[in-house]
Amino acid sequence: GAVVSQHPSWVICKSGTSVKIECRSLDFQATTMFWYRQFPKQSLMLMATSNEGSKATYEQGVEKDKFLINHASLTLSTLTVTSAHPEDSSFYICSAPSGRQETQYFGPGTRLLVL
Amino acid sequence: GQNIDQPTEMTATEGAIVQINCTYQTSGFNGLFWYQQHAGEAPTFLSYNVLDGLEEKGRFSSFLSRSKGYSYLLLKELQMKDSASYLCAVLDSNYQLIWGAGTKLIIKP
Repeated sequence: GAVVSQHPSWVICKSGTSVKIECRSLDFQATTMFWYRQFPKQSLMLMATSNEGSKATYEQGVEKDKFLINHASLTLSTLTVTSAHPEDSSFYICSAPSGRQETQYFGPGTRLLVL
Repeated sequence: GQNIDQPTEMTATEGAIVQINCTYQTSGFNGLFWYQQHAGEAPTFLSYNVLDGLEEKGRFSSFLSRSKGYSYLLLKELQMKDSASYLCAVLDSNYQLIWGAGTKLIIKP
């Protein structure tokens, strides 16, 4: 299947700093990518839809000024957590649809720990 | 509203068969996906159904009935490594993925 990568896989940062997470589709182009957050023992929660060449679409309750999304190219989307706080500590996962079936392929995820 | 229901947790024995059900009510339907997610890892794609019937892929099979808004994932010859959460997701009329909360499958020796 299609491959999606994420970088970094682990981030530990101080409260108040900003963290950038990259999501890349390695062998296919993705005009749309999705960003999810998952807290321990909970289901995936869609944060936003990243659209190449236009603004991201945020889900209700997700602060767009705090979670900045840039879909720079057909293979790269970035999520920047600005002024991170301990409650932002979570598992952030991106996905991109590929193929006629619109099958979602997930990146390996990024664990963020804000101290 | 849109809703996907699946059991929270199931337990099965190694070597046995288990069926994980998923019922859905969504605005439109463009296919149903099953994903496997091991603890601490991202989900991995298992199956996609858009037509009624059974799709078999090795030890895993997925069934869909669109008229009943129902699907199941069947796992045969269970192995300890099958212990994971299994997520059901439906692609609605806007091609948005609607996710179930996942079923945690516990395999006992």
